[in-house]
Amino acid sequence: SQTIHQWPATLVQPVGSPLSLECTVEGTSNPNLYWYRQAAGRGLQLLFYSVGIGQISSEVPQNLSASRPQDRQFILSSKKLLLSDSGFYLCGAGGVYEQYFGPGTRLTVT
Amino acid sequence: AQSVAQPEDQVNVAEGNPLTVKCTYSVSGNPYLFWYVQYPNRGLQFLLKYITGDNLVKGSYGFEAEFNKSQTSFHLKKPSALVSDSALYFCAVSAYNQGGKLIFGQGTELSVKP
Repeated sequence: SQTIHQWPATLVQPVGSPLSLECTVEGTSNPNLYWYRQAAGRGLQLLFYSVGIGQISSEVPQNLSASRPQDRQFILSSKKLLLSDSGFYLCGAGGVYEQYFGPGTRLTVT
Repeated sequence: AQSVAQPEDQVNVAEGNPLTVKCTYSVSGNPYLFWYVQYPNRGLQFLLKYITGDNLVKGSYGFEAEFNKSQTSFHLKKPSALVSDSALYFCAVSAYNQGGKLIFGQGTELSVKP
């Protein structure tokens, strides 16, 4: 079975600072990878997804970007954080028929 | 456009009673339906899924869900609720031509009281 790691677990960053969140996957090859954001403890919104190395699709215009430098590594970045970037970020891995999630990163922008 | 609705923000159940968490969906083509559970400050845990086949799907921790195509529903059920079932539950939908992208409902907070 696959295991999804995310770090850091929590992060407090000032407005205007850069961001890098990392997700790595074990136990599977060539998974689709996804970044979701959960705001206010409820709804989940898909931010980015990737079907392979270097292939990134953005779902919503925003202050964030994503990269996939290796098959099982997915990175979420920002050059300058906004207050509205605060939230709980979840990395997903899988495909059409199944998707599993990492433990999440709680980001607070102050 | 695909969408998922969870009409109840919160469901309250007494321990030992049956529980139902409702979900309806809208999708072009055949739907792939999922239920996840989330405990505070944790990631999503997979409970069960419907891809094809029997309309009644059994999953983890005694949960089950029934796919109803005519009513476009996929309600989550459990015959006897436990206090430890208290958590946030999400229904999600995908479709074959969507690359596995999940559209989530807004979540339903389940509270099971002793």
